[in-house]
Amino acid sequence: SQQGEEDPQALSIQEGENATMNCSYKTSINNLQWYRQNSGRGLVHLILIRSNEREKHSGRLRVTLDTSKKSSSLLITASRAADTASYFCATGGFKTIFGAGTRLFVKA
Amino acid sequence: DVKVTQSSRYLVKRTGEKVFLECVQDMDHENMFWYRQDPGLGLRLIYFSYDVKMKEKGDIPEGYSVSREKKERFSLILESASTNQTSMYLCASSSSGLAGVYNEQFFGPGTRLTVL
Repeated sequence: SQQGEEDPQALSIQEGENATMNCSYKTSINNLQWYRQNSGRGLVHLILIRSNEREKHSGRLRVTLDTSKKSSSLLITASRAADTASYFCATGGFKTIFGAGTRLFVKA
Repeated sequence: DVKVTQSSRYLVKRTGEKVFLECVQDMDHENMFWYRQDPGLGLRLIYFSYDVKMKEKGDIPEGYSVSREKKERFSLILESASTNQTSMYLCASSSSGLAGVYNEQFFGPGTRLTVL
């Protein structure tokens, strides 16, 4: 099974609502990253949170990390139609492991 | 603006053909990666390279080989393409950090390969 597993697999919300995605992993980590992928394109790095951090913000993004539960969450506040994409968490060093992703659809 | 480019966005090949996928980065990154992405399976690492002429197997190297003759270029080779290699192929690069520190990867736009 994969190191990072996102939940839910798919999420559909209205513009302006908040979107929360979760990621669980199995082994200890130095840091965890979140990426976004627009349909049929490459991934774009969003944010990195280190293992000694509990929360991190970047614009409308808020990431939390709970190493005791081996889980992380990505919150997108005041979502926009342009946030429609797949979101992946990633852990590991050279052999980075990506989860299967959460597909977010934001309806205008 | 940093850039990772891939030689083709779409590619159609026949079973048994030799296929070359090229990736070039302009950020002087030491590390380069090849992934394949399939629905429901996320990204799976095929091979990566941490230096010129160096390569390491990822999770699914069977049926693939790679070449890194220059720092900026990392090629993925399908020696004899098969239909189960139909997929989206993503190349990425990253700079080297301290041991155990993971640096963000920069991705190319992907090549959607169809093997008939």
